[in-house]
Amino acid sequence: NAGVMQNPRHLVRRRGQEARLRCSPMKGHSHVYWYRQLPEEGLKFMVYLQKENIIDESGMPKERFSAEFPKEGPSILRIQQVVRGDSAAYFCASSPLVYTDTQYFGPGTRLTVL
Amino acid sequence: GESVGLHLPTLSVQEGDNSIINCAYSNSASDYFIWYKQESGKGPQFIIDIRSNMDKRQGQRVTVLLNKTVKHLSLQIAATQPGDSAVYFCAESPSGSARQLTFGSGTQLTVLP
Repeated sequence: NAGVMQNPRHLVRRRGQEARLRCSPMKGHSHVYWYRQLPEEGLKFMVYLQKENIIDESGMPKERFSAEFPKEGPSILRIQQVVRGDSAAYFCASSPLVYTDTQYFGPGTRLTVL
Repeated sequence: GESVGLHLPTLSVQEGDNSIINCAYSNSASDYFIWYKQESGKGPQFIIDIRSNMDKRQGQRVTVLLNKTVKHLSLQIAATQPGDSAVYFCAESPSGSARQLTFGSGTQLTVLP
């Protein structure tokens, strides 16, 4: 059973470009969470999704950031018009369909904005 | 605002000794706690969790203790090994939430030979 997969692992963008980060949850998991980690800090919650639904986006910046988890395919975190402050590691976590609290994390995408 | 924090940012222990990493939380509504290990360049790896109806839980070489009275959580690692060197995060989740986790700032554990 493969773990949570994220791609790309590293992404470099220039200011003003768009960044798309992908997350494939573990098999059988239908809950996806996105977190952001700045250097030498803990992870900060961004958004929680189930298939085709955004359940909690209280941690998402109001502008430029969006997330989706379609019926088919991976979850996407999209950042439009990136700025240098968006440089961070973005982690995706998933948990199973049956209600459980344990979240399993992917390896992360390290976004660098030049 | 309420937050999760760690007492010490760094901890160095001799190989073979026991390690204790501490964490304070302030959200009294939290009822679920997790310890994660994060190695450089990798995602957080689940170590052990505990619910608020327990005060102790043991895993393989690890024990988590929860003291709800003082809102304190600790992770004990027995016979610490070089492979245990990493940053350790505690995370908490309040009851009734969408189970978003609130992470502490982390403790860097270094195992000395």
